[in-house]
Amino acid sequence: DAKTTQPPSMDCAEGRAANLPCNHSTISGNEYVYWYRQIHSQGPQYIIHGLKNNETNEMASLIITEDRKSSTLILPHATLRDTAVYYCIPRGARTGKLIFGQGTTLQVKP
Amino acid sequence: GAVVSQHPSRVICKSGTSVKIECRSLDFQATTMFWYRQFPKQSLMLMATSNEGSKATYEQGVEKDKFLINHASLTLSTLTVTSAHPEDSSFYICSARATRDRGLRGRYEQYFGPGTRLTVT
Repeated sequence: DAKTTQPPSMDCAEGRAANLPCNHSTISGNEYVYWYRQIHSQGPQYIIHGLKNNETNEMASLIITEDRKSSTLILPHATLRDTAVYYCIPRGARTGKLIFGQGTTLQVKP
Repeated sequence: GAVVSQHPSRVICKSGTSVKIECRSLDFQATTMFWYRQFPKQSLMLMATSNEGSKATYEQGVEKDKFLINHASLTLSTLTVTSAHPEDSSFYICSARATRDRGLRGRYEQYFGPGTRLTVT
């Protein structure tokens, strides 16, 4: 499974866009990039995933670079409830396991 | 849809006793379930993969005789922490993978439970 690098922490002002980067330079061709988040003392929550095209849903947008070595999760209008640890996870097609790294702690401030 | 529950949400037990944690997929069937543990201020660590009707596969370093996993049906997996000690105190989280594509472009998604806080005294 590919390794990921995420900044340990980020701040964002409420109402502004939060852009969370992830480096996954060793990702293989059949690995999707998944994003989950974990609000304090809860189970992780699925946000979005993609393979090579950019994706958007009601929660976020996912921008994947053309070489697939990095991606950015965008929360378009961050709220205080978006304060959480965000995990970028390349998921192996063979094992299907989700191996969590250290993630990015996003603090949304009023 | 795609709700996973865990029971109990919190449990306190004495050292040397065993504790069972249940993980249920409420509105879908799950051939595969995963068990994680999380220590304070740390990330989730995958413990084992549980497949319905077969033996669980444990990650390296996880004692299979200490953490007994049973996946007897497509909606229920249990984790039993045997002879618990204070160092087993942790947040245990399960996830369930749907047996059928839920419309997400051919991927079998994983849904996480709310977690169980185990404290061993």
